[in-house]
Amino acid sequence: AQSVTQPDIHITVSEGASLELRCNYSYGATPYLFWYVQSPGQGLQLLLKYFSGDTLVQGIKGFEAEFKRSQSSFNLRKPSVHWSDAAEYFCAVEGGATNKLIFGTGTLLAVQP
Amino acid sequence: DAEITQSPRHKITETGRQVTLACHQTWNHNNMFWYRQDLGHGLRLIHYSYGVHDTNKGEVSDGYSVSRSNTEDLPLTLESAASSQTSVYFCASSDFSNQPQHFGDGTRLSIL
Repeated sequence: AQSVTQPDIHITVSEGASLELRCNYSYGATPYLFWYVQSPGQGLQLLLKYFSGDTLVQGIKGFEAEFKRSQSSFNLRKPSVHWSDAAEYFCAVEGGATNKLIFGTGTLLAVQP
Repeated sequence: DAEITQSPRHKITETGRQVTLACHQTWNHNNMFWYRQDLGHGLRLIHYSYGVHDTNKGEVSDGYSVSRSNTEDLPLTLESAASSQTSVYFCASSDFSNQPQHFGDGTRLSIL
């Protein structure tokens, strides 16, 4: 069965520091992978997606993610975090061309001044 | 601009009552989805639809139903609300496979 693991429930970083949020998935073939961000009281906004091709994908707001098949990972990175990046981040996988998403449990990011 | 709207944004009701949450999208997307979000669980799929008159059960469908009479709307009904259904509910829509889903702002439902 497909699954997504986000091992870090809560992360705190200082403003200006680099960020890496971890995501591991379980799926037999190459999945479609997504990162979404959720601000308080809001819906989810797409940051970036991976379908095929270049394993390093660029997204909005300066985020990027790297697909590593050997590690079944799709970690999200940002070189310099801004206070406005404080939010909850969700990794999701779609398998089998169904358009159905399986979400991880999310990582809550806090940014210290 | 195209959008997806959910109503109401907040609702409080009592156990045993029937509740319907509305979802309306102007993207003209075929695929629509309902999720619930609970602490420690992320988002879990309740029901989904690939087009008019098509509905399918998701991971946590017990106690919920949907109907799709047109492209724009997928209302979610709780037939007899239970306290375990207290949650935040999100509706989403998408064109087709491998396309990202667009999410509404959610409905916070409290069942007392």
